[in-house]
Amino acid sequence: DVKVTQSSRYLVKRTGEKVFLECVQDMDHENMFWYRQDPGLGLRLIYFSYDVKMKEKGDIPEGYSVSREKKERFSLILESASTNQTSMYLCASSTPPEGGFNEQFFGPGTRLTVL
Amino acid sequence: AQTVTQSQPEMSVQEAETVTLSCTYDTSESDYYLFWYKQPPSRQMILVIRQEAYKQQNATENRFSVNFQKAAKSFSLKISDSQLGDAAMYFCAYSRLGNTGTASKLTFGTGTRLQVTL
Repeated sequence: DVKVTQSSRYLVKRTGEKVFLECVQDMDHENMFWYRQDPGLGLRLIYFSYDVKMKEKGDIPEGYSVSREKKERFSLILESASTNQTSMYLCASSTPPEGGFNEQFFGPGTRLTVL
Repeated sequence: AQTVTQSQPEMSVQEAETVTLSCTYDTSESDYYLFWYKQPPSRQMILVIRQEAYKQQNATENRFSVNFQKAAKSFSLKISDSQLGDAAMYFCAYSRLGNTGTASKLTFGTGTRLQVTL
C-alpha cells in the first residue's frame, strides 16, 4: 500500500514564526503536492513538484515556499506564519501520467493553528 | 481555467437508502478525468471512483456509481445501500491529461458532507 505521512497531525505556532511541514511518501512517486483545505473552499493547490528540485506554483502560492531535495520528501515552508494561514494542510503524491490517469494518494493532514 | 462546483454543502441519507451527490464542472478540454474522493472524519482522503471522459460508459465500484453527462458537464455520484461508514466529506475533482514531466493537477469542488442516519 502507498503510504504518505506528514510530520505532525496538529501544530500550533505564533505569528511570525517560520514553520516547516514535512511530507514523506514511500512509493517512489514522481509527483508530490501540497494543498490547504478550508471549510467551504474545498482543497486548493499551493505548490507541486514533479521531480526532485523541481517545483511549480499552484493556485495559492503566496506566503509559502517548498523544498524537494529528495524524491520521497516534500516540505512546505511558511516563512513568516500569519493567522490567515491557519488551516488543514494536506500532502499528496502520485505517479506520472503515462497514458493519462494517475491517482493521488493523500497523507492524514496537518491542522495548523497560528496564534 | 477549470472549475468544479458542488452545490450541496450537506446531504443526509438513511441507512440502506440511495443518495446522489451532484457535481458540475467547466472545461474547454475534450479529454480529462473526473474523480470522487472520500474524506471520513479524521481520516485520510481516499479515491472512491474515477471516470475517463472519453468513455461513454459510467464507472461503477460496488455500491458506488456515477452518472457522467459530458455534454452537460455533470458528474454525479450515486451511493446505493448506504452504510454508516459512508458518512464523510465527498469531493468531486477534475484533472486534465498531464504532459510528460508535469503532474496531473487536481481541481477540487468545495465538498459535500454526507450524513448517514439509522
